[in-house]
Amino acid sequence: DQQVKQNSPSLSVQEGRISILNCDYTNSMFDYFLWYKKYPAEGPTFLISISSIKDKNEDGRFTVFLNKSAKHLSLHIVPSQPGDSAVYFCAASGSGGTSYGKLTFGQGTILTVHP
Amino acid sequence: SQTIHQWPATLVQPVGSPLSLECTVEGTSNPNLYWYRQAAGRGLQLLFYSVGIGQISSEVPQNLSASRPQDRQFILSSKKLLLSDSGFYLCAWRGQLTGELFFGEGSRLTVL
Repeated sequence: DQQVKQNSPSLSVQEGRISILNCDYTNSMFDYFLWYKKYPAEGPTFLISISSIKDKNEDGRFTVFLNKSAKHLSLHIVPSQPGDSAVYFCAASGSGGTSYGKLTFGQGTILTVHP
Repeated sequence: SQTIHQWPATLVQPVGSPLSLECTVEGTSNPNLYWYRQAAGRGLQLLFYSVGIGQISSEVPQNLSASRPQDRQFILSSKKLLLSDSGFYLCAWRGQLTGELFFGEGSRLTVL
């Protein structure tokens, strides 16, 4: 049972445009969500997170939106740059205590930004 | 600033051989430490986590074990590797009060 799903295996975007990466979850106990970026043969790099008490969190070009009722979150990258090309993973956990860090990951979405 | 290192970066081992992957964290005290694995074509899966020296929790039944002999050292081991142990192994840490995990560079294990 896949509790975190990224239904789009890949996304192709033109440089300067918006990239929107989507993620759905099924476990109602998840209340902390994260996005990671990963290059081949490297560890994931943390991008941005959001707690379930918020519906939006922004950091520079990256914005994460959370729709709790739909159990859906999305990552917006504006403007997209060729260096953003990578695999993007969403992840979820409970919050507090040992729940933090016990992440359930999606399968990843390959983002390609064309010059 | 905090850094995390794991080694070796790549490893090719025969079935039935032992395994030891090491991970160390610098620049922080009493971190929570984690081992994740990414099998081919799949997402990352939590294998073990540790909240302190000698304290190990296993998330999935498997052929692997973990140990934490020092505050900032986390070791992943196996006595006899299986073909299914092949994958990309990632060590990660987080602070006591935060939810974000920070990952090491990863170790690519191929069991033949």
